[in-house]
Amino acid sequence: DQQVKQNSPSLSVQEGRISILNCDYTNSMFDYFLWYKKYPAEGPTFLISISSIKDKNEDGRFTVFLNKSAKHLSLHIVPSQPGDSAVYFCAASALGDDKIIFGKGTRLHILP
Amino acid sequence: EAGVAQSPRYKIIEKRQSVAFWCNPISGHATLYWYQQILGQGPKLLIQFQNNGVVDDSQLPKDRFSAERLKGVDSTLKIQPAKLEDSAVYLCASSLGRRINTEAFFGQGTRLTVV
Repeated sequence: DQQVKQNSPSLSVQEGRISILNCDYTNSMFDYFLWYKKYPAEGPTFLISISSIKDKNEDGRFTVFLNKSAKHLSLHIVPSQPGDSAVYFCAASALGDDKIIFGKGTRLHILP
Repeated sequence: EAGVAQSPRYKIIEKRQSVAFWCNPISGHATLYWYQQILGQGPKLLIQFQNNGVVDDSQLPKDRFSAERLKGVDSTLKIQPAKLEDSAVYLCASSLGRRINTEAFFGQGTRLTVV
């Protein structure tokens, strides 16, 4: 039973355009959401997070949007750069739990 | 600040052999996680420690996998005996924990191949 779902295995975006990665969750107890980026042969690195008390968090080129009623979040990268080509994992946890549950990931290809 | 250290980076063993992985978390991080990432999948939580106590090991195949975190710092994950389906990257991560929302930091992982 997947609690965090990333339904797009891969996404290709032209350099300079906006990349939008989507994530859905089923557990209504989740209240903290994270995005990780992973290059081959490396561990995932933390990118950005959002608490359920917010609906948007921005950090440079990266913005995460949270729609609690739809149990949906998205990561926007603008403008997309070649170095953004990686696998992106959506993750979630519940306050007081510390357990972080990951989705299957979306492979982002930035095209020249 | 030093990151999460893991060793070895790569390991190839035959099925039914045993193997152990080591993790040194970021200093001061109370929570330590072991994840298994099979090719094409997201990281799957195997076990979570808070200091030296186990918080969650519901996904750990206890008939063959074991883990310990002595003195609440370093941790080892052992597989005995290994099966072909254990081939995966084993990721260790740590976080401040203490039941506050915070990110986990990952090591580079150990890629295990069982032949």
